[in-house]
Amino acid sequence: RKEVEQDPGPFNVPEGATVAFNCTYSNSASQSFFWYRQDCRKEPKLLMSVYSSGNEDGRFTAQLNRASQYISLLIRDSKLSDSATYLCVVNEATDSWGKLQFGAGTQVVVTP
Amino acid sequence: EADIYQTPRYLVIGTGKKITLECSQTMGHDKMYWYQQDPGMELHLIHYSYGVNSTEKGDLSSESTVSRIRTEHFPLTLESARPSHTSQYLCASSGGLAGVTYEQYFGPGTRLTVT
Repeated sequence: RKEVEQDPGPFNVPEGATVAFNCTYSNSASQSFFWYRQDCRKEPKLLMSVYSSGNEDGRFTAQLNRASQYISLLIRDSKLSDSATYLCVVNEATDSWGKLQFGAGTQVVVTP
Repeated sequence: EADIYQTPRYLVIGTGKKITLECSQTMGHDKMYWYQQDPGMELHLIHYSYGVNSTEKGDLSSESTVSRIRTEHFPLTLESARPSHTSQYLCASSGGLAGVTYEQYFGPGTRLTVT
């Protein structure tokens, strides 16, 4: 079983709509959680860190559910430029030196 | 924008050649990483470093080697390139204290093709 699992999608979203998707992680001792965005053939870029209380950055909202071991990302008022692959990232719980586990990504396609 | 650089951005090379992929960061980060990613596939960690003179192999077996002589520089070397090494190689760095995981910042990547 992979440590970080994501629905690969694609999630086809009309422009202006809301889309949400989850990611599950297997190790309950994980402490750090992030969402990255990766455009086709580009490097991953940090979208936001995920805090226990949940956090919002403009149209993006991230939530952490420790009891069920998942994190979520919600995108409101989707723009064409939001089309990308969104990577769920969790620290390796047994590693205290900064290694991260990357999910395979959820593809989002925003259509006009 | 993260200050992490990779050269070359694209490289096409013949089988058997020795190559070095360069990675430098100006953020003073002590931790650096190399990932390999095939198109449409997930990232795989191949090497990492906690600081100068520290290097470790990652989760994915790789025939490459790395060195960390200076904090800002983390080059990756392939002694004898093969077509199976064709991939995108991404370098990343992160800062922070020991025992705390901070976000990683990625360079633009080197797209390697071995013919």
